Amino acid sequence: EVQLVESGGGLVQPGGSLRLSCAASGFTLSGYWMNWVRQAPGKGLEWVASLRYDGSDEYYVDSVKGRFTISRDNAKNSLYLQMNSLRAEDTAVYYCARGDSSNGWLIDCWGQGALVTVSS
Amino acid sequence: DIVMTQSPDSLAVSLGERATINCKSGQSVLYNKNYLAWYQQKPGQPPKLLIYWASTRESGVPDRFSGSGSGTDFTLTINSLQAEDVAVYYCQQYYRIPLTFGPGTKVDIK
Repeated sequence: EVQLVESGGGLVQPGGSLRLSCAASGFTLSGYWMNWVRQAPGKGLEWVASLRYDGSDEYYVDSVKGRFTISRDNAKNSLYLQMNSLRAEDTAVYYCARGDSSNGWLIDCWGQGALVTVSS
Repeated sequence: DIVMTQSPDSLAVSLGERATINCKSGQSVLYNKNYLAWYQQKPGQPPKLLIYWASTRESGVPDRFSGSGSGTDFTLTINSLQAEDVAVYYCQQYYRIPLTFGPGTKVDIK
């Protein structure tokens, strides 16, 4: 069974840092684009970042460029999101999401999400 | 950026009746295929892929869900609405970065 499990969420002060992890099981991470998508409380979905299966290409939404870094460790079947200089508006549930094997930007599987709260 | 809009914001449909949700992209997402997906999100759950390439049902999705449209205008239809279909439905374009979602349409039972 394909499964994505996020961890590392929590409460952080504005300007702080947090690293989210996503453990994948039931498939080999190295064959897939991976994505992070977030959802602010009571709001809609917002794509955050995408990373090519071999790590050679990465893309970010403008609002997190220079502050967030997506990375992967295919040997550990894990995806990461390093979040620096956090702002109140980054408060959201962050979903780890797998790209489809034929089109990596089509999301076909989602984790349960990790809540990140940025507040003093 | 490709802006996605949806209508209506919410709708209430009687059990067994049809629900229709519209999605419009700010520019065409057609290149051989329509790079348009639909997701269903139930309260407290992550989204679930329902439809991709605008009209292809994901494996395991009931056939009462169907997608149509091309270019910039798309529709998700739920035939014979069931109680378990209460959710928010999002369209998303995967034609170009940044990936963008519609604002969502909430479907309830009348």
